[in-house]
Amino acid sequence: DVKVTQSSRYLVKRTGEKVFLECVQDMDHENMFWYRQDPGLGLRLIYFSYDVKMKEKGDIPEGYSVSREKKERFSLILESASTNQTSMYLCASLPRVAGATSYEQYFGPGTRLTVT
Amino acid sequence: EDQVTQSPEALRLQEGESSSLNCSYTVSGLRGLFWYRQDPGKGPEFLFTLYSAGEEKEKERLKATLTKKESFLHITAPKPEDSATYLCAVRNGRGGADGLTFGKGTHLIIQP
Repeated sequence: DVKVTQSSRYLVKRTGEKVFLECVQDMDHENMFWYRQDPGLGLRLIYFSYDVKMKEKGDIPEGYSVSREKKERFSLILESASTNQTSMYLCASLPRVAGATSYEQYFGPGTRLTVT
Repeated sequence: EDQVTQSPEALRLQEGESSSLNCSYTVSGLRGLFWYRQDPGKGPEFLFTLYSAGEEKEKERLKATLTKKESFLHITAPKPEDSATYLCAVRNGRGGADGLTFGKGTHLIIQP
């Protein structure tokens, strides 16, 4: 079974802190994604990566950056945390896209981040 | 801009009472419509992928269908363990490994 793990289930940080959220997948997937999930807004894509050291902005990248130094690990960085970044953060991975036959993203359990 | 709208926002059913969840979408060049199930405190779990109008997929008490404008998730004789939030998502025609655009979900409660 594919396993996607996230470093913390719950995290509390102060405004202005630099925050690192880590995601690791064990299936050698090329593609990894970061989403945030908020009540009434659903899941929104922050950033994704299709290869080591490669990254693409999603729909809401402002205030975030990412790092992918190794294939199995994708980090989300909040350079200076703010209260409006309080949210559930979900990581997902996906094997190399091959035509239109496979696009099942595997999600981690999520990190609930509270910024006070 | 891609849009996915799910209805209803919440649905409460009695055990055994069949119903349908709706997902309407606007996307330039659909390259897949996806249904996920999400339990409280967990990440979404993949259920189905649909690629073309008329396509249907089934899994236990769930059946997903697709038209050119919307998808339905039919739940037949549901059980309490089917209680969850059901998410619909689309992948557009931009190509590559871009992410999905999700709807806000339907929160389904099945009462014994």
